[in-house]
Amino acid sequence: AQKITQTQPGMFVQEKEAVTLDCTYDTSDQSYGLFWYKQPSSGEMIFLIYQGSYDEQNATEGRYSLNFQKARKSANLVISASQLGDSAMYFCAMRDLTNQGGKLIFGQGTELSVKP
Amino acid sequence: KAGVTQTPRYLIKTRGQQVTLSCSPISGHRSVSWYQQTPGQGLQFLFEYFSETQRNKGNFPGRFSGRQFSNSRSEMNVSTLELGDSALYLCASSLQNRVSVNTEAFFGQGTRLTVV
Repeated sequence: AQKITQTQPGMFVQEKEAVTLDCTYDTSDQSYGLFWYKQPSSGEMIFLIYQGSYDEQNATEGRYSLNFQKARKSANLVISASQLGDSAMYFCAMRDLTNQGGKLIFGQGTELSVKP
Repeated sequence: KAGVTQTPRYLIKTRGQQVTLSCSPISGHRSVSWYQQTPGQGLQFLFEYFSETQRNKGNFPGRFSGRQFSNSRSEMNVSTLELGDSALYLCASSLQNRVSVNTEAFFGQGTRLTVV
């Protein structure tokens, strides 16, 4: 069954330090996509980064990078040089071919707090 | 380019009433998905519409329904509201027009529904 697991309900990080948010996934499909979204208190889900199951390189987008370990079925988000504005909920999500790719499965989220 | 627009942003309804939420996707996007977000259940997929047809459906009772118009705008309706329907309802649009796991979803700010 498709499933996303985020085991860290809350995380604290000091401003300017790096932080890793954990995500493990489960799917029987060979082709799938993994996404990370940020949700500030305003409610909008903001896309951060994408990793495809066939991508050989780890994805990077500015201060965000994805540590993709396919054999372990993990897709951890690394935020470098944390900023106060990074305080938000972070969700890991997956699309696979089960629903023609039309459905995102989300984890429970991790609340990140950046301390000055 | 305008983002995904959801209206209204906030709504208070009484048990037993019905409600209609609206979502205008990004211009050119034909796929619209709806998600329900609650503290207890997290983010759950409601349904996806593509070219006015429901392509995927989540595990929600028949009180939850939706439709999509020829201009890709979508509405979701909840009839006979229950207290447990109180949630943030998020709409996402994407360019996806075929089976694809790498399509990014762009989210609106959501409609926060409170049932009293």
